[in-house]
This record gives sequence, C-alpha cells and structure tokens, in this order.
Amino acid sequence: NAGVMQNPRHLVRRRGQEARLRCSPMKGHSHVYWYRQLPEEGLKFMVYLQKENIIDESGMPKERFSAEFPKEGPSILRIQQVVRGDSAAYFCASSPEGGRNTEAFFGQGTRLTVV
Amino acid sequence: QKEVEQDPGPLSVPEGAIVSLNCTYSNSAFQYFMWYRQYSRKGPELLMYTYSSGNKEDGRFTAQVDKSSKYISLFIRDSQPSDSATYLCAMSGTGGSYIPTFGRGTSLIVHP
Repeated sequence: NAGVMQNPRHLVRRRGQEARLRCSPMKGHSHVYWYRQLPEEGLKFMVYLQKENIIDESGMPKERFSAEFPKEGPSILRIQQVVRGDSAAYFCASSPEGGRNTEAFFGQGTRLTVV
Repeated sequence: QKEVEQDPGPLSVPEGAIVSLNCTYSNSAFQYFMWYRQYSRKGPELLMYTYSSGNKEDGRFTAQVDKSSKYISLFIRDSQPSDSATYLCAMSGTGGSYIPTFGRGTSLIVHP
C-alpha cells in the first residue's frame, strides 16, 4: 500500500484553524475513498470521489468538511474551523477505473490532532 | 445494532496457535466480504476477499463466509509474532458504489 501517498503524516491544528489533508492515488487509479478512524469506532467511510466528481458523500459531516479530486493533482480533504472532536486518523484508499473497493489500496494515513 | 459487529479483543495467543477471528453482520445485502490487516500506525492492508458464501484459502490464511448465519471468519494457522496486528473485517453489497462497511477490528497478539 506504499503506492497511495498521504501527506502530511501528522498534522497539529489549533481549534478554529483549517486542516488540509492530501492523497495521491496509486498510478493509474482514478477512484479515491476517504475514511476516518477513531480508536473506539473503527474505520468510517466519509466520501468517494472520481476525477472531478463526488460520487458518494453520505459519510461526510454536513458542515465544515469538504473533499475534491481535481483533474490534476491530489485529492484534498478539507476541514474548516477544526474542533477537538476532529482529532483522528484519516485514511484514503484508491482503486482503478472499473474496479470495486475490494481492489482498493490504503495509504498510511494522516493523524490530525486538534489542540 | 451496528451493521457489522467485531470483538475488539485483544486476543493473545502463543506462537504456532490457530487463530480464529470473527464478525457478524445484519445486512443481508452484503455480498463481498474482506479481511484487512493493520499494523500499528499504518494503513489497512487487504488480506483476502470472498464473494458470497464459501471458503477461500491463501497460505496460512483461510476466510469463511456463512451467509445463512451472517457470520464470517478468518483463520490463521501456525500464527507468528509478525501476525500481531489489528484485523478488520469489511463487507459491501453489489449495488451502488460498493462502499464497504468495516468492523471496529480485533487486536491480535502472538507471543513467542
């Protein structure tokens, strides 16, 4: 899973600041999925994107969270006005065109700490 | 009731033991069943997946699905200390975007 690159690996933000998490999918992959992981809850789906399109955002909080996957460049998960409850590990996964999530590969994650 | 239930453990076994990890689920629409391994501070890594019911074997790992009981298992034979990790089950349906639902993971410790 080293092919999916996430940065930064660790991010510290003060309450009220913005957090930007980046995900570069594996070469040749055009589908990206974002998940949040909390110690007591496991992996929770947030959003599924293809190039320039949001396919499924049913797991995204309605406010402060947004995601994009532009034609060029990495996918971005953006959290505005962060609160302590946003502290978690955020993982992205990618899969190839025509592939299903069973063929998805995860990155190493970004650990967000809100102080 | 959560869609996917998985005992968080920890499960501690001696090296060489046969390990059984399990998940139950409530959504009868699930057709794809996956097992991931996650080492501490790392991303999940897909171990194996099965479609519908039955068994699948890959080396020391065997995945079983019993759809009638809504119960899936992962068996690890001849467990090694390097198998110490968190094991997550995940499941998805055949429609829509196939987004899987994950269990919370079981922490496995294999001691020498």
